[in-house]
Amino acid sequence: NAGVMQNPRHLVRRRGQEARLRCSPMKGHSHVYWYRQLPEEGLKFMVYLQKENIIDESGMPKERFSAEFPKEGPSILRIQQVVRGDSAAYFCASSLGRENTEAFFGQGTRLTVV
Amino acid sequence: DAKTTQPNSMESNEEEPVHLPCNHSTISGTDYIHWYRQLPSQGPEYVIHGLTSNVNNRMASLAIAEDRKSSTLILHRATLRDAAVYYCILKRTGANNLFFGTGTRLTVIP
Repeated sequence: NAGVMQNPRHLVRRRGQEARLRCSPMKGHSHVYWYRQLPEEGLKFMVYLQKENIIDESGMPKERFSAEFPKEGPSILRIQQVVRGDSAAYFCASSLGRENTEAFFGQGTRLTVV
Repeated sequence: DAKTTQPNSMESNEEEPVHLPCNHSTISGTDYIHWYRQLPSQGPEYVIHGLTSNVNNRMASLAIAEDRKSSTLILHRATLRDAAVYYCILKRTGANNLFFGTGTRLTVIP
């Protein structure tokens, strides 16, 4: 059973371009979470999705960021018109349920905006 | 999110036990205590979680104070592979996410 798969592992974008980060949850998991980790800081929650539905996006910046988890295929975190401050590691996690089950994290995508 | 307080850093000698403390004096009755760790350049990894009773698994033990205002993660024999940042997190029943603080950076000395 493969773990949570994120790709790409590293992504370089110029200011103003779009970044698309993909996350395939563990088999059988329908709950997906995205977190962002700025350099030398802890992880900050961004969004929680459950197959085709956004359940909680309280941590998402109001503009330029969006997330989806379609019925088929991976979850996508999309950042439009990237700026230098978006440079960070973005981690995806999945779980079987929401309540007190362990969350399995991917290796992350390290986004660098130049 | 209820707050936790952890030491910024700790050191341990290899093959010795390590006790990582966490204070959570504002914990509520529906808060579970979770521990995750993050190795360098990796995503976080689940370690253990509990509510009131002490818990053991293959990775570690979790000792929870009777009043639940503190807990201790115990690694029975530290290895070099255990060098990581350890996060103590309170997760309320019904909450949608984990709140990561700054954690404790554990250094294991060979």
